This record gives sequence, C-alpha cells and structure tokens, in this order.
Amino acid sequence: DAKTTQPTSMDCAEGRAANLPCNHSTISGNEYVYWYRQIHSQGPQYIIHGLKNNETNEMASLIITEDRKSSTLILPHATLRDTAVYYCIVRVDPRETSGSRLTFGEGTQLTVNP
Amino acid sequence: GAVVSQHPSRVICKSGTSVKIECRSLDFQATTMFWYRQFPKKSLMLMATSNEGSKATYEQGVEKDKFLINHASLTLSTLTVTSAHPEDSSFYICSLTKWGGGEEQYFGPGTRLTVT
Repeated sequence: DAKTTQPTSMDCAEGRAANLPCNHSTISGNEYVYWYRQIHSQGPQYIIHGLKNNETNEMASLIITEDRKSSTLILPHATLRDTAVYYCIVRVDPRETSGSRLTFGEGTQLTVNP
Repeated sequence: GAVVSQHPSRVICKSGTSVKIECRSLDFQATTMFWYRQFPKKSLMLMATSNEGSKATYEQGVEKDKFLINHASLTLSTLTVTSAHPEDSSFYICSLTKWGGGEEQYFGPGTRLTVT
C-alpha cells in the first residue's frame, strides 16, 4: 500500500471548516484513499473513502486531486468533539486482497478550539 | 455499522501473569478479525489477523507464543497475553470488516492493559 504524509498537528476554531491534507504521491491506480479518526483512548472510527471522485457523507467531504496524488478531508463545521487524530490511509481495493488490513501512519492531531 | 465490543476495557495485572482480552461482534458474523496494539502517543500497529476456525496470522516481530489468539466463533476472538511484562502495557484494539457499499472496518473500544 502507498505511503501517506500528513501534518503532525492542526488547529481549528469551533464552527469553522477543518481541512486536513494528505499527500499520497505514489498512489496506484487501484488504490483507494480512506480516512479514519481516533478520539483519545477510543478505537478508530471510519469516516469516508474514495477512489477518484469527490465524496461526501454525513460526517465529512473528501476531495481528491485530479492526479490523485493528494487529498483533503473537510469537516464543514468542526465541533469540540471532532478533536482527534485523523488517519489518511491508502490501500488497494480490499475486495482484491485476501485480507482487509489497515496500515496506520502517524496521522494528524486535530484540535478544535472553542 | 457494526457493533464491536471488548472486554475488559481496562485491566491491571502483575508481571508474569496472563491476561485474556475478548473481542465480540454483537451484530455481525465476522470470519476475520484484526488485533492492533497502540503505545502512548503512537499509531496503531497490526499484531495479527484472526481467522475463524484456523490459526491466526501474525505480523513480523510479534511472538505468537506470547500473544495467543483464538477465534472460536464468528462473533468472538480472544487475545491472551501470556507471562505479561511491563513492556506489554499498551492499548489493545480489535477490529472486523463489514461490507457496506465499499467496505468499512469497525473497531472495538480498546482494552487498556497495565502490567505492574
């Protein structure tokens, strides 16, 4: 699976949009971009994933550049409860692999301030 | 989504003893579960893949005789830390995969192990 690069930490004001970048310049054509987050002392939580097109769900939006070498996770109206470590993970279509393992990097510590 | 539980949520044990951690899928039958370990201020590291009815697959550097995994049913996997030492103190998290329009992996709440 391709390696990702994320900033170590970011701050955001409550109510504002949080934009978390991720670089994955070595991504292959069959690799997806997944985002998870982990609130302190809890298990990770799935947020969103995409291949080429931008995606949106009730939690966030995922913007993938046309060359797919980077992406941005957008939390449109950040709340204090969004404070967490956000992991960007690139992986092949799990349906094509024998297992669905995830390889976590260091992620970005997002702190939402009042 | 899928509901995954872990028990216990916290455990303190003495060095040399063994500790069993349970991971249960409450609403889904999972043929495969994953066990991760997370040290303070570090990222999750996959320890092993637990397969129902067969032996677990361990990641490089993880001692299979120390971290015993039993996936006895489609809803239960257990991780036993044998002869625990203080360096085994960590946050242990299990997960399973449930297909939902693109495959999501659901994680348990984690178990905090402290070995004194």
